[in-house]
Amino acid sequence: DGGITQSPKYLFRKEGQNVTLSCEQNLNHDAMYWYRQDPGQGLRLIYYSQIVNDFQKGDIAEGYSVSREKKESFPLTVTSAQKNPTAFYLCASTLSRNTEAFFGQGTRLTVV
Amino acid sequence: DAKTTQPPSMDCAEGRAANLPCNHSTISGNEYVYWYRQIHSQGPQYIIHGLKNNETNEMASLIITEDRKSSTLILPHATLRDTAVYYCIVRTYGGSQGNLIFGKGTKLSVKP
Repeated sequence: DGGITQSPKYLFRKEGQNVTLSCEQNLNHDAMYWYRQDPGQGLRLIYYSQIVNDFQKGDIAEGYSVSREKKESFPLTVTSAQKNPTAFYLCASTLSRNTEAFFGQGTRLTVV
Repeated sequence: DAKTTQPPSMDCAEGRAANLPCNHSTISGNEYVYWYRQIHSQGPQYIIHGLKNNETNEMASLIITEDRKSSTLILPHATLRDTAVYYCIVRTYGGSQGNLIFGKGTKLSVKP
């Protein structure tokens, strides 16, 4: 079945470590997005990519980095520069500007 | 910033219609209205979208005012499983895909 997969579902990180969250889609979608969600809050856009080898910063890009080397993959790295990384991270993809977004089931990152 | 305004929370009795409002007074002529919902700790799920005509699918109906400055999502017979956060967003269909901006949404509680 086609879909968008995030892994792992739960992730623990020590302070000062970088960590990479995986997002893979087999929907042949052009655009991919990363969001952060804090308890009781909406989704805030971190980065998005409209095509391979291109990406743009969202509202809260500081302390994060991404790459888009393949159409189906858009990994997010949470760096040690991110001061408060504990959150729920969601990845999404869209086929075109006229179509709906599909979301993964999220990765819950906890800094210990 | 999100281009939409929604009430933070609403209650609805099971079996009754749930009417969720959304204001998008700055909507442009080339922007669609999309609705998503997020059940706790899951990725958001697409519900419906429209440009200027009313739309209906198996999940819900979308009513867009003639001036397109507001819309209402209608769940005709709400069930306990419809308890979720509902997000209304606007999205351009012209030019590049751009980004997807979510606000804080409306937390709908369906009560027995």
